Amino acid sequence: GESVGLHLPTLSVQEGDNSIINCAYSNSASDYFIWYKQESGKGPQFIIDIRSNMDKRQGQRVTVLLNKTVKHLSLQIAATQPGDSAVYFCAAYNNAGNMLTFGGGTRLMVKP
Amino acid sequence: DVKVTQSSRYLVKRTGEKVFLECVQDMDHENMFWYRQDPGLGLRLIYFSYDVKMKEKGDIPEGYSVSREKKERFSLILESASTNQTSMYLCASSLARADSNQPQHFGDGTRLSIL
Repeated sequence: GESVGLHLPTLSVQEGDNSIINCAYSNSASDYFIWYKQESGKGPQFIIDIRSNMDKRQGQRVTVLLNKTVKHLSLQIAATQPGDSAVYFCAAYNNAGNMLTFGGGTRLMVKP
Repeated sequence: DVKVTQSSRYLVKRTGEKVFLECVQDMDHENMFWYRQDPGLGLRLIYFSYDVKMKEKGDIPEGYSVSREKKERFSLILESASTNQTSMYLCASSLARADSNQPQHFGDGTRLSIL
């Protein structure tokens, strides 16, 4: 089955710097990937997604990169702000349909 | 915006009780899901449903059941609560499209404590 793993449990960055959160997945047939942000006391919030026919997608201050060759994706946050402090999860859909597999989460801490 | 509402933010129950967790979504989504979230274990799928009166087991269905009598509502039932079911429970929903997967949208969770 699918397994999804984040590379670092905690990431500390200075306010204003760029953040990069990495994620690896195991199933080469996975075709849809999502990044979620979870703030304390709240449920996961959709940030951005990418399908396997793309290798890059940009949103507001966020960019997701997908490298299918090494089965790796990353979330880049530009000009990190205190409000970006949260746990970030990557998730991958298996090729059979609606089952999402989640990574363990990286806690992003933003230093003022 | 999608709104997924879980009826309780915090719940305390006793061992052996039958517990109901309710979830409602307002976007006419076909798919609904129940997860539990535990430190170090991430999100694990308990049950999901593709349609009214339809249910499928996820990765950890033991000790749980579900009910989907209406499209917008998906209930999780702990038949006889045990202390190892103390956890954060998250409900999610997504649109069903035949040609592509769609993102799941989550509620804010119910933190359940079983004493």
